[in-house]
Amino acid sequence: DIQMTQSPSSLSASVGDRVTITCRATQGIRNDLAWYQQKAGKAPKRLIYTASSLQSGVPSRFSGSGSGTEFTLTISSLQPEDFATYYCLQHNTYPWTFGQGTKVEIK
Amino acid sequence: EVQLVETGGGLIQPGGSLRLSCAASGFIVSRNYMAWVRQAPGKGLEWVSVIYGGGTTQYADSVKGRFTLSRDSSKNTLNLQMNSLRAEDTAVYYCAGGKGDFDIWGQGTMVTVSS
Repeated sequence: DIQMTQSPSSLSASVGDRVTITCRATQGIRNDLAWYQQKAGKAPKRLIYTASSLQSGVPSRFSGSGSGTEFTLTISSLQPEDFATYYCLQHNTYPWTFGQGTKVEIK
Repeated sequence: EVQLVETGGGLIQPGGSLRLSCAASGFIVSRNYMAWVRQAPGKGLEWVSVIYGGGTTQYADSVKGRFTLSRDSSKNTLNLQMNSLRAEDTAVYYCAGGKGDFDIWGQGTMVTVSS
């Protein structure tokens, strides 16, 4: 199975900060990676698909990059509504696997 | 409006069975990848199963042989038959769909396996 390792597992940041979350795959997955945001008690919401494509309606401060085994999600200027948990998902090889999540908290 | 609505969750004893359903509106189940993703209390997301194409299914090792995923095109619904349930199956179960990964999600239904 492909393991997805997300780092960091949590971070504290201030409004306006630039935040970067990384996902590493144990084998190459091309660009078959998505990023999701989940707020407490809510369903996940897709932010990025095919590693770098911005989901319609998602603010442009979110961006994704990478291919193969290393991927990043960047929030260019953190906003109050961005405090949440973020997950990556590889959908290249079954079983599909999520990263363990990165909780973004207010500093 | 595109919407997925899950039903069927509840409290069930270990070894029991439960059937979850996901009703889609504004979205054609048979033309998309449709999946179940679960989240145990306080834990991360876990992919459970997916159905796509002509009805091909894939399962996580943790549920293989116990869970069966199907779809009903006439009702535009997705179903998950869960047998031999274990305490570790306790989670919120989300229905999700899309063209590759998942851009549409339901609100989730809670399954609690406990005696």
